Amino acid sequence: AQSVTQPDIHITVSEGASLELRCNYSYGATPYLFWYVQSPGQGLQLLLKYFSGDTLVQGIKGFEAEFKRSQSSFNLRKPSVHWSDAAEYFCAVGVHYGQNFVFGPGTRLSVLP
Amino acid sequence: DTAVSQTPKYLVTQMGNDKSIKCEQNLGHDTMYWYKQDSKKFLKIMFSYNNKELIINETVPNRFSPKSPDKAHLNLHINSLELGDSAVYFCASSQDPLGRDTEAFFGQGTRLTVV
Repeated sequence: AQSVTQPDIHITVSEGASLELRCNYSYGATPYLFWYVQSPGQGLQLLLKYFSGDTLVQGIKGFEAEFKRSQSSFNLRKPSVHWSDAAEYFCAVGVHYGQNFVFGPGTRLSVLP
Repeated sequence: DTAVSQTPKYLVTQMGNDKSIKCEQNLGHDTMYWYKQDSKKFLKIMFSYNNKELIINETVPNRFSPKSPDKAHLNLHINSLELGDSAVYFCASSQDPLGRDTEAFFGQGTRLTVV
């Protein structure tokens, strides 16, 4: 069965520092991969997605992610974190048949001033 | 213009009551979902509807019953509420049921508290 893991439950970085959030997936077919962000008390907003093609995808708010098939990973990166980036980040895989999005457990990002 | 809207945003109710959460999407999407987010922030799918037909029905107590009167609406009815039902419930929609070139758009969530 498909699954998504995010090894880091909580990450703290200083404002201006670089960021990498890890995501690993288990899925038999070519995955559709997503990163969503959830600000406190808010819904989920799509940051970026990967369907095919270039394995480095650009998203909103200066985020990017790289799909590495050999490592079954889809890590999220940002070169310089802003205080407003503090939120919960979810990696997800889209399941082709039956239409489902399977989410990882989330990584909470805290940003120090 | 909210793409996926849920009402109410907050719901506090006593054990044993019956309640409903409404969801509407104005994106013209074919597929709608209900997700439950527990206290540990874990998101788990409950139901998925495509063109008003149920296509995913995860292991959810039968006290939970989704109803889709049309493609734009997917409501969630919960009977005999229990303390463990307290969570945030998210409605979502997506365009293509086969998962091609699609993404899920989420509502703001409904925080249900059962006391």
